[in-house]
Amino acid sequence: AAGVIQSPRHLIKEKRETATLKCYPIPRHDTVYWYQQGPGQDPQFLISFYEKMQSDKGSIPDRFSAQQFSDYHSELNMSSLELGDSALYFCASSFRTSGGGETQYFGPGTRLLVL
Amino acid sequence: DAKTTQPNSMESNEEEPVHLPCNHSTISGTDYIHWYRQLPSQGPEYVIHGLTSNVNNRMASLAIAEDRKSSTLILHRATLRDAAVYYCILRGNAGGTSYGKLTFGQGTILTVHP
Repeated sequence: AAGVIQSPRHLIKEKRETATLKCYPIPRHDTVYWYQQGPGQDPQFLISFYEKMQSDKGSIPDRFSAQQFSDYHSELNMSSLELGDSALYFCASSFRTSGGGETQYFGPGTRLLVL
Repeated sequence: DAKTTQPNSMESNEEEPVHLPCNHSTISGTDYIHWYRQLPSQGPEYVIHGLTSNVNNRMASLAIAEDRKSSTLILHRATLRDAAVYYCILRGNAGGTSYGKLTFGQGTILTVHP
């Protein structure tokens, strides 16, 4: 079965550079979530999109932005990178329901290292 | 948001059952109980979820207390591949603060011994 695809899988950047992470959801899924997991930390929600509109926002820095495109893939843009942005970035997709039983499917993550 | 409490860590032997507890005493009537796990160096993985009744799937069983203030994830025969961090997460209906996003708290690190 098709899974969530993230690219690139690994990324090394210098401080103050920019990075773009891409996420391709499972076909027919209409919702994308982004999570950040720092070293030794639990995943933290950043932002989500439903039908190409931002649906929720978590602790995402102003230096980060994201969008969901017409083909439902999503991109997380990160500017003025800081050492503290080094983390695993996960994308998850789901088919949205109005209830709490919705299941999210996670991609393998992008490991970002900022030097 | 309703909070969950899990033990920091648990250990099991291979091929033995494992019972992972979760307390959620402030759960609301519409909150679903979800379990996800994260294997080393991988993204979180859905395990099971339920609302009021016990649930079974190919991975695990979920036993929900009658008052819904606690639940237990049951792995019937642990394997080495089940070693992971297990997260118990509450998710509510649209319009609530726990809708949509997953809020990962401190999960349970499960170690499985050969």
